[in-house]
Amino acid sequence: DTGVSQNPRHKITKRGQNVTFRCDPISEHNRLYWYRQTLGQGPEFLTYFQNEAQLEKSRLLSDRFSAERPKGSFSTLEIQRTEQGDSAMYLCASRRGVNTEAFFGQGTRLTVV
Amino acid sequence: AQTVTQSQPEMSVQEAETVTLSCTYDTSESDYYLFWYKQPPSRQMILVIRQEAYKQQNATENRFSVNFQKAAKSFSLKISDSQLGDAAMYFCAYRRGSQGGSEKLVFGKGTKLTVNP
Repeated sequence: DTGVSQNPRHKITKRGQNVTFRCDPISEHNRLYWYRQTLGQGPEFLTYFQNEAQLEKSRLLSDRFSAERPKGSFSTLEIQRTEQGDSAMYLCASRRGVNTEAFFGQGTRLTVV
Repeated sequence: AQTVTQSQPEMSVQEAETVTLSCTYDTSESDYYLFWYKQPPSRQMILVIRQEAYKQQNATENRFSVNFQKAAKSFSLKISDSQLGDAAMYFCAYRRGSQGGSEKLVFGKGTKLTVNP
C-alpha cells in the first residue's frame, strides 16, 4: 500500500493548451474523488467515481473538464483549452467503501500562464 | 446545501501549549460526519480526527480532541501539548451519512497553525 499517487506533481501550461492529470488510488479502493483547491480556500468537490462509473459531477466541472476511470482503477482528469482561472491544486482521494476514511494524494499543482 | 465555516484564517501557539481551532457548519441532515484534516506544506492531507453526529461523546485521538456541540452546530479542535510538527493548514470538513450518493467532503477555508518554539 503506497498511498494515493498523483502525477505530475506540477504542471505549467500556456493558456489554451490541454492538460491531463493522473491519479492512482490505493488498490481495492472502489471510490475515487477529484477536488480542486485554490489559494486560500479549502478543497472543492469536482467529481466522484464508484468503480468505473462516474456518479456525480459538480457544477464546477465545466464542459472543458472531463474525467475517466477505465476499469475502475486509475483515473484521469483532462482540462481542455485551459484558462488562467484553472490554476489550482487538483487533489485526488480514494476510499474503500461506505463509512471509511478518505485518503488523499499529494495533488497536482497546475499553473496556467 | 451544507456549508462549513472556519473563522480563524491563522492561529499561533507556543510549543507545549494548547490551542483550539473553531469550526461551525450548517446542515439540515441528521446523519452526518465531521472531520478535521491536516495539510502540511507540500504534503498530502491526512485525517486527524472524526466525529459521528449520532455520538454524544467527543472524539479524542492522543493529543487531539474535539468539542462537538450539535445544537450549536459547532465542532472545534483542541490540540494539547503542541509540537513543531503540528504546524500545518487545518481543515474542518462535513460529510453526509451513508444514505447513498457520493459522500463527498465539504471543506471550510482552513486555519493556518503556526507553532512557535
